[in-house]
Amino acid sequence: DSGVTQTPKHLITATGQRVTLRCSPRSGDLSVYWYQQSLDQGLQFLIQYYNGEERAKGNILERFSAQQFPDLHSELNLSSLELGDSALYFCASSVLQISSQFFGPGTRLTVL
Amino acid sequence: GESVGLHLPTLSVQEGDNSIINCAYSNSASDYFIWYKQESGKGPQFIIDIRSNMDKRQGQRVTVLLNKTVKHLSLQIAATQPGDSAVYFCAENILDAGNMLTFGGGTRLMVKP
Repeated sequence: DSGVTQTPKHLITATGQRVTLRCSPRSGDLSVYWYQQSLDQGLQFLIQYYNGEERAKGNILERFSAQQFPDLHSELNLSSLELGDSALYFCASSVLQISSQFFGPGTRLTVL
Repeated sequence: GESVGLHLPTLSVQEGDNSIINCAYSNSASDYFIWYKQESGKGPQFIIDIRSNMDKRQGQRVTVLLNKTVKHLSLQIAATQPGDSAVYFCAENILDAGNMLTFGGGTRLMVKP
């Protein structure tokens, strides 16, 4: 157990809908990262937050957004969902902006 | 359920043997490398990391070797156990450019009892 928690574990929804994924980092970690893992793209970095501020952006679609709250938990919002958004979404956290990342168990999103 | 693609390279070893998993990284500017283990239905689990100013680092039963000349990373697992069966990913990072990891495609390790 890495200490990173994610909810929900599974999510099934329809195309065009909007969902919110939640992540609580390890105690003491200030930085949160979101990754997408799909069968054809592997693990891809989406976005990083550090102490509430966005720090780095990767291959994140405009339909996706994220934020980190004062209590350091983070939410990833996915809107106008498409079939191709079906994937595992992982959150990771680290103590500093630049240090080893520890991953949560993931949320499996299925878009029907 | 499975979290990675079906066409991963697979390494099959006998329990008790040593395993070597290889990774070719893409960016010659990368200066930080991590190996992760991912079991079915779980998130990636940190195994060991190495910075580019080193060429070898050892952990418990694991050793990471870095060859910057050919941009190659390897993970050696000693006395492989059935619990080591998983998909292994290498990840690279450029520390001055932030902390976004770029992951390799992964290798599936299967340990035969």
